[in-house]
Amino acid sequence: DAGVTQSPTHLIKTRGQQVTLRCSPKSGHDTVSWYQQALGQGPQFIFQYYEEEERQRGNFPDRFSGHQFPNYSSELNVNALLLGDSALYLCASSRLAGELFFGEGSRLTVL
Amino acid sequence: GDSVTQMEGPVTLSEEAFLTINCTYTATGYPSLFWYVQYPGEGLQLLLKATKADDKGSNKGFEATYRKETTSFHLEKGSVQVSDSAVYFCALSDDGNTGKLIFGQGTTLQVKP
Repeated sequence: DAGVTQSPTHLIKTRGQQVTLRCSPKSGHDTVSWYQQALGQGPQFIFQYYEEEERQRGNFPDRFSGHQFPNYSSELNVNALLLGDSALYLCASSRLAGELFFGEGSRLTVL
Repeated sequence: GDSVTQMEGPVTLSEEAFLTINCTYTATGYPSLFWYVQYPGEGLQLLLKATKADDKGSNKGFEATYRKETTSFHLEKGSVQVSDSAVYFCALSDDGNTGKLIFGQGTTLQVKP
């Protein structure tokens, strides 16, 4: 049984560009949450998707947007990249209100 | 707003030593509390949890007790192994939505043989 898978694992972008990160949830899970983890810090909640809608959102600007597809997979989009967006982006899946299972993350470097 | 504070690392211990990693929280309601572990090269994994005051979470020899009076959820293990070397994160959920967690900054544990 595959766990949470994320792609790409690493990527480099320049300021002002846009990026899309992808997440496939664990089998049987219908909810996807995204987190940003800066170096040496704990993860920070970006938003959560359930039934293809954004259910909750953390304190992130509108440059951060997402989508959930009918097969429960999800994308995180970040527009107009800033140097401060460099981080590890974590996807976590669950059944609604259940235990979170995390992927290994996508490491984004903005130059 | 709600927050979680962990003791700073890194923590370096010899095998079989006693481990304590301190965690305190600030929350307006009655949060659920969690410890997650991140082994090198792996994703975060739930280690243990407690959902109400005085609950004790336990797993793999690790324990933590939800102390409302001191707003703490300290992680303990009686005898650490080299394989316990990892980064440990304390976290809380303040609204019953366990998908929205507030994490501490993490504590790195290194266990030497």
